[in-house]
Amino acid sequence: QSMLTQPPSASGTPGQRVTISCSGSRSNIGTNFVNWYQQFPGTAPRLLNYENNQRPSGVPDRFSDSKSGTSASLDIFGLQSEDEADYYCASWDDSLNGWVFGGGTKLTVL
Amino acid sequence: QVHLVESGGGLVKPGGSLRLSCVGSGFTFENYYMNWIRQAPGKGLEWISYMSVTGSFTNYADSVRGRFTISRDNAKNTLYLQLNSLRVDDTAIYYCARGTVAARHWFDPWGQGTLVTVSS
Repeated sequence: QSMLTQPPSASGTPGQRVTISCSGSRSNIGTNFVNWYQQFPGTAPRLLNYENNQRPSGVPDRFSDSKSGTSASLDIFGLQSEDEADYYCASWDDSLNGWVFGGGTKLTVL
Repeated sequence: QVHLVESGGGLVKPGGSLRLSCVGSGFTFENYYMNWIRQAPGKGLEWISYMSVTGSFTNYADSVRGRFTISRDNAKNTLYLQLNSLRVDDTAIYYCARGTVAARHWFDPWGQGTLVTVSS
C-alpha cells in the first residue's frame, strides 16, 4: 500500500497544462522534499524533478513541481505527445527511516 | 557516463533464494548511498532497502525485513541484495538506484532492472 496518494490517471491535449497531485503526511512530504520520476513502458524510471524544483540536465523546464504542507504537485506545461508516461512522486519518511512512493499516475496525451 | 547494471534475477520457487548484483560505473561508487527498489508487474514502485557509503547504515521496508539483506563491495563497485524465503508476491523487477551522500535525497540514475519471478 502506497504511503503517498496520487490520482491513477490524468490526461490533456497537446499544448495544455496538466497537474499531477501527490498527498502525504507530516512525516514525509510535510518534512522532506518531494522527488518526481517519469517512467515509459518497459523502461526504468528516471529522475524528473527533485528538491524544490531542481531538474537534472536534459529535463525540459516544462516540468515544474511545488509543495505546500503535506501535498505536492507536478505541473507539465505545453504538454507534448512524448510526455505520455507514468509519473511517480517520492519522499523520505522520517518515521520509517526510508522512502515512500505514490501509486503512480498514468498520463495520457489525447 | 554513469551506469548501473543489475543481474541475478530469474525463476525461483516459493521459499527459495536469489542474490542480485548491481555494478556501477562512471562514478566513484564508494561515495554514494545505494538503494534497491522493486516494481511488481503492472504495479507501482516500492522502495526496498538502502545502504550507506561504508555499509554502516542500512534499512529495509517492512515487507522484506528479515528476509532480504543488502550489502556492498566498494572495491568491486557492486551492490548486492540477498533474497531469502521468497514469496509469490516478491515477483517484480528489481532496480538498483544511486542515492547521494545521504539517504534522504533522490535516486539517480536507475539501472535497467532484473526480473525476479517466484512461482511453483
